[in-house]
Amino acid sequence: GENVEQHPSTLSVQEGDSAVIKCTYSDSASNYFPWYKQELGKGPQLIIDIRSNVGEKKDQRIAVTLNKTAKHFSLHITETQPEDSAVYFCAAALGAGSYQLTFGKGTKLSVIP
Amino acid sequence: SAVISQKPSRDICQRGTSLTIQCQVDSQVTMMFWYRQQPGQSLTLIATANQGSEATYESGFVIDKFPISRPNLTFSTLTVSNMSPEDSSIYLCSGGLGNTIYFGEGSWLTVV
Repeated sequence: GENVEQHPSTLSVQEGDSAVIKCTYSDSASNYFPWYKQELGKGPQLIIDIRSNVGEKKDQRIAVTLNKTAKHFSLHITETQPEDSAVYFCAAALGAGSYQLTFGKGTKLSVIP
Repeated sequence: SAVISQKPSRDICQRGTSLTIQCQVDSQVTMMFWYRQQPGQSLTLIATANQGSEATYESGFVIDKFPISRPNLTFSTLTVSNMSPEDSSIYLCSGGLGNTIYFGEGSWLTVV
């Protein structure tokens, strides 16, 4: 089955700096890669996703890049703010319309004011 | 997008009892799933809730322990049976809509 590795497990950055979280996956058939943000006491919230026919996607301060050859994808947060502090999970799914997600272990991001 | 509501949001349960969690989606989602998230851990898929038929369970999860129902496209229940302290977790419902997967806020269970 699919295996998703996520690094780092914890990340501390100064407010205003950038944060990068990286994930690798094992199954070359995976083609949907969402990122979720989970704040304390809440469920995961989808923040951005990318599909295998796209190499990069941006949404304001958040971007995701995908390298299908190397089987890795990354989340980039620029101009970090204290409210970005949360646990971030990457995930992978097989096939268009396949909703079964395999998650990475998560990255706890702390943005220091 | 889809809004997913779960009940209860939080509960403290006695060892040996069972608890049913309800999941309601505001849209007719194609698929529904149940995940478990143990304290400080990632999400693990328990099963796919199939409308009108038995759920499909992942390795390590069985129907006797986690019976699931899905009577229609917008509602599902997960029962955690004969609970032990090891079942203390967040249980999350998710739904797939338009190639996107949404999650509820979770049901936080503590077994004492």
